[in-house]
Amino acid sequence: AQKITQTQPGMFVQEKEAVTLDCTYDTSDQSYGLFWYKQPSSGEMIFLIYQGSYDEQNATEGRYSLNFQKARKSANLVISASQLGDSAMYFCAMRDVFYGQNFVFGPGTRLSVLP
Amino acid sequence: DGGITQSPKYLFRKEGQNVTLSCEQNLNHDAMYWYRQDPGQGLRLIYYSQIVNDFQKGDIAEGYSVSREKKESFPLTVTSAQKNPTAFYLCASRDRVDTEAFFGQGTRLTVV
Repeated sequence: AQKITQTQPGMFVQEKEAVTLDCTYDTSDQSYGLFWYKQPSSGEMIFLIYQGSYDEQNATEGRYSLNFQKARKSANLVISASQLGDSAMYFCAMRDVFYGQNFVFGPGTRLSVLP
Repeated sequence: DGGITQSPKYLFRKEGQNVTLSCEQNLNHDAMYWYRQDPGQGLRLIYYSQIVNDFQKGDIAEGYSVSREKKESFPLTVTSAQKNPTAFYLCASRDRVDTEAFFGQGTRLTVV
């Protein structure tokens, strides 16, 4: 069974600083995808970034980058130049590409950006 | 604009009543999902559907039912058998196997 662990219930970061949100995963599948979502207080889930298990380069999307270490089964999200609007819950998720049908989510990390 | 629409945004239910949460998508996605989120927690899968007229139970399906009569629609019924239904419910859909899920705005259900 797949499992996602996010060990940081809450994080604080100063505006304009970079922050890393941790995510480790457990799976026996060979081909899978890793996702990060942002959930503001309004509740909607906003897709941020995707990393495929066979992608050789770390994914980047604007200020978001994913530090993917396959051997350690970690997929940490790095947010550069934090903004006040980045304050939200952040969820790491995974899905097996070929056989799994579902997204498995971690418990989330609440990020607070301080002015 | 393409997207997923959930309605209503807020829903109140008396104990012992069934209620149905609506989820409609115009993204032409085959796969659709229902998740439940409790305060301060992650998402747990209730039901999912890969194609019309087919759906499978997720991790917490007891007390819930779904239908998938049309590709665009995947309504969720919270039955009286669900003992603790107060939660935030999120509907999602997905296109290709290697792509992200798109989410609706959610429905907050409260039992009164």
